[in-house]
Amino acid sequence: AQSVSQHNHHVILSEAASLELGCNYSYGGTVNLFWYVQYPGQHLQLLLKYFSGDPLVKGIKGFEAEFIKSKFSFNLRKPSVQWSDTAEYFCAVQTGGGNKLTFGTGTQLKVEL
Amino acid sequence: KAGVTQTPRYLIKTRGQQVTLSCSPISGHRSVSWYQQTPGQGLQFLFEYFSETQRNKGNFPGRFSGRQFSNSRSEMNVSTLELGDSALYLCASRFTGGDTGELFFGEGSRLTVL
Repeated sequence: AQSVSQHNHHVILSEAASLELGCNYSYGGTVNLFWYVQYPGQHLQLLLKYFSGDPLVKGIKGFEAEFIKSKFSFNLRKPSVQWSDTAEYFCAVQTGGGNKLTFGTGTQLKVEL
Repeated sequence: KAGVTQTPRYLIKTRGQQVTLSCSPISGHRSVSWYQQTPGQGLQFLFEYFSETQRNKGNFPGRFSGRQFSNSRSEMNVSTLELGDSALYLCASRFTGGDTGELFFGEGSRLTVL
């Protein structure tokens, strides 16, 4: 069965700092990859997704992620975080069709002013 | 366009009781799935329904069940509640035509079992 690892459970950054959140998955076949964000008190929202093509994908709010197949990684980046980026971030993998996503355990990001 | 709607948003039950949670997907979305979110286990897939048929099931005991109606609305049921069933239950829907794979999540139903 596939699994997803997010190595950083809690991250604290100052505004304007750069962000990189790690995500590794274990599955040898074709995967679709996602980053979701959950702002305090809100529902999960899609930040970005990768299905195929250019391994560098851009999402909303200035986020981007790079798929490195040889490393089974899909790390999330943002050059300059804002206080409003404070949220929990989830990496997820989809294999095959359907709605089954395997999520990582999440990374709680706190951005301080 | 209205999002995924889940009811009730909050509920408290006692051990041994049963609970039914409801989910209305985004209009036009025919695929619905359910996830359990807990601090310890994170987000775990429960099951998925499409056209009233269960397409996929996660690793949960038979106490957890679900169904989907002809209008794509879905319900999930948990019988003989245990303390460990306390969680946020999330419903997600997906448009399956020209599939992009993106799931749209509701705000969840927070279940507390006492």
